[in-house]
Amino acid sequence: TQLLEQSPQFLSIQEGENLTVYCNSSSVFSSLQWYRQEPGEGPVLLVTVVTGGEVKKLKRLTFQFGDARKDSSLHITAAQPGDTGLYLCAGGSQGNLIFGKGTKLSVKP
Amino acid sequence: DSGVTQTPKHLITATGQRVTLRCSPRSGDLSVYWYQQSLDQGLQFLIQYYNGEERAKGNILERFSAQQFPDLHSELNLSSLELGDSALYFCASSRGLAGGVYEQYFGPGTRLTVT
Repeated sequence: TQLLEQSPQFLSIQEGENLTVYCNSSSVFSSLQWYRQEPGEGPVLLVTVVTGGEVKKLKRLTFQFGDARKDSSLHITAAQPGDTGLYLCAGGSQGNLIFGKGTKLSVKP
Repeated sequence: DSGVTQTPKHLITATGQRVTLRCSPRSGDLSVYWYQQSLDQGLQFLIQYYNGEERAKGNILERFSAQQFPDLHSELNLSSLELGDSALYFCASSRGLAGGVYEQYFGPGTRLTVT
């Protein structure tokens, strides 16, 4: 069974701090996606990474796919209250996505 | 706005009842996925349809069923409802299965409350 483990589960920081969240698996994925979900709403796709070692930047967010395509990280620089939400990683395999349980981020002003 | 629509937004019903949730995928998307999200279980994959055919099954109970129609919209039917079925139900769609990249776009969800 393929599993994606995300850490930390919860993160509460002050505005302006930097943070990194992780997504790890023992399985290889053909792609990995990061989503952000706000309470009561659907997950919103942030990025897809496909190549081992790939780094993608989205404003203050930096996403990295591990060389072996088994893990990924999301780094946020100078976090803002608008970054608050549940961050989910999802690995692509055989036409489906395997989701991690997410990291719940709270950024206090 | 992801382009995926779901109705209804909220649904309150009693135990033992049956409900139908509806999803319209993004224009041009052939795959539809259904997920259940409850507080303690995270996002659980239920079932996938591709161009009208069932493609994959996840943790879907026998009391639940789904179908995808020729116009590609999909319905998720939940029957003999129990209190534990209360959750957010999401539909997602994707272009297909090509190239090993499976970007899914989620609808706003249906919040089901079983009383």
